Amino acid sequence: ETGVTQSPTHLIKTRGQQVTLRCSSQSGHNTVSWYQQALGQGPQFIFQYYREEENGRGNFPPRFSGLQFPNYSSELNVNALELDDSALYLCASSLVQVNEQFFGPGTRLTVL
Amino acid sequence: GDSVTQMEGPVTLSEEAFLTINCTYTATGYPSLFWYVQYPGEGLQLLLKATKADDKGSNKGFEATYRKETTSFHLEKGSVQVSDSAVYFCALSDRNNNYGQNFVFGPGTRLSVLP
Repeated sequence: ETGVTQSPTHLIKTRGQQVTLRCSSQSGHNTVSWYQQALGQGPQFIFQYYREEENGRGNFPPRFSGLQFPNYSSELNVNALELDDSALYLCASSLVQVNEQFFGPGTRLTVL
Repeated sequence: GDSVTQMEGPVTLSEEAFLTINCTYTATGYPSLFWYVQYPGEGLQLLLKATKADDKGSNKGFEATYRKETTSFHLEKGSVQVSDSAVYFCALSDRNNNYGQNFVFGPGTRLSVLP
C-alpha cells in the first residue's frame, strides 16, 4: 500500500508569482484535503476535494485553488504569492465520510 | 465555529516521567477527536482517536479519553522516552454539509524528553 506523497519537497518563489503543489493519495482513498501549516502553528484547513469537486473550504482567499483528478491525485494552486504564504503545505487523503486522514510529508514553500 | 485549545509548550520532561498534555475543544456537533504527532521534518502521523463520548483511544503507551462533560481529550503517557520528543496536535473532525469531514487542529505542543 502506497502512502500519501507530495511534490516538490521544497520550493522557493518570489512575491507575486504562482505555484502549483502536487499530491498523490493513498491507494483506495477518494478524498483529498489541503492544509497550510505556518511555522510553530497547527495546520489550517484550506479545502477538500471529493469526486473532482471542492467539498468544503476554510478561510482562505480565492487565489488558493485546487484540482482533483480521476485517479484522486490533487493539485493546490496559489496565485499572486504573498510573503505570508510561506509555510508547510500538507496534503491528506481519506475515504469520504470516514473521519481518519493520512498525511503526506508536506511541501515547504518559501516566498521571498 | 469549531476550535481546539492545547496547553502551551514547550514541555520538557526527563525520561520515564509521566506526561499529560491538555486539550479542550468547542464544537457544535458531535465531533471525533484525535491526537497527531509530528516529528522534525515530517508530516503528521495519527497517534490515536476516539469517536464518541467516554471512548478511550490508545497507542504506543499513549492514551486519551473523550470527555463530553468537560469537552476535553487530554493526552497521557505513563513513562516517556527520548524518542517521544515531537510536536503533538490535538484535533477534531466534524461532518460538513457536503459529505466530508472538517478537521480543526490545535496549535500543537512541543515535547522534549531528556535522557
